[in-house]
Amino acid sequence: GEDVEQSLFLSVREGDSSVINCTYTDSSSTYLYWYKQEPGAGLQLLTYIFSNMDMKQDQRLTVLLNKKDKHLSLRIADTQTGDSAIYFCAESGAQGGKLIFGQGTELSVKP
Amino acid sequence: DGGITQSPKYLFRKEGQNVTLSCEQNLNHDAMYWYRQDPGQGLRLIYYSQIVNDFQKGDIAEGYSVSREKKESFPLTVTSAQKNPTAFYLCASWPGTVNQPQHFGDGTRLSIL
Repeated sequence: GEDVEQSLFLSVREGDSSVINCTYTDSSSTYLYWYKQEPGAGLQLLTYIFSNMDMKQDQRLTVLLNKKDKHLSLRIADTQTGDSAIYFCAESGAQGGKLIFGQGTELSVKP
Repeated sequence: DGGITQSPKYLFRKEGQNVTLSCEQNLNHDAMYWYRQDPGQGLRLIYYSQIVNDFQKGDIAEGYSVSREKKESFPLTVTSAQKNPTAFYLCASWPGTVNQPQHFGDGTRLSIL
């Protein structure tokens, strides 16, 4: 079945770049999403990329998609302490709607 | 402002009790979803509904039940048959357009007394 994998933890220093990686198995994925979850809160959509794109940039966020290797990454430039959170990648199939989530990567930003 | 409201934020259940988690949306979305979140396991789909009066089981439906009598509302009941109900529960909705993401509520944390 479909599967999405992420590493569980990432620690960076304030001001550095963070790169969170994700791999997925469903080759029919249409859209791939990055969500952010702060402690005790719901998921906030950060950005998403359509499967026929290689890259998407939105201010400090850069999403890279390697469709051949089914690898997605989220780069956060100039990481701040307020970026500390859990980051989830998720994929949707051709019809949209149902999402398959990774386990989440907990980003810790040290001053 | 449009959004998804989950209530209560914290809920406690005694052994053998059923409890119901509320999810209301005013986004006019057709589809609604319930997820369970456990540490280190991401989000797992419990039930989803694509239209009023219809719903389907997700990956971990055992011990849960839902109803969808109104477009705005998708309550989740955690029954006594769910042996490990302690978790964070998230409700989401989706407008039905393929390039649009799911929107999430702020979650309900359920604990066993």
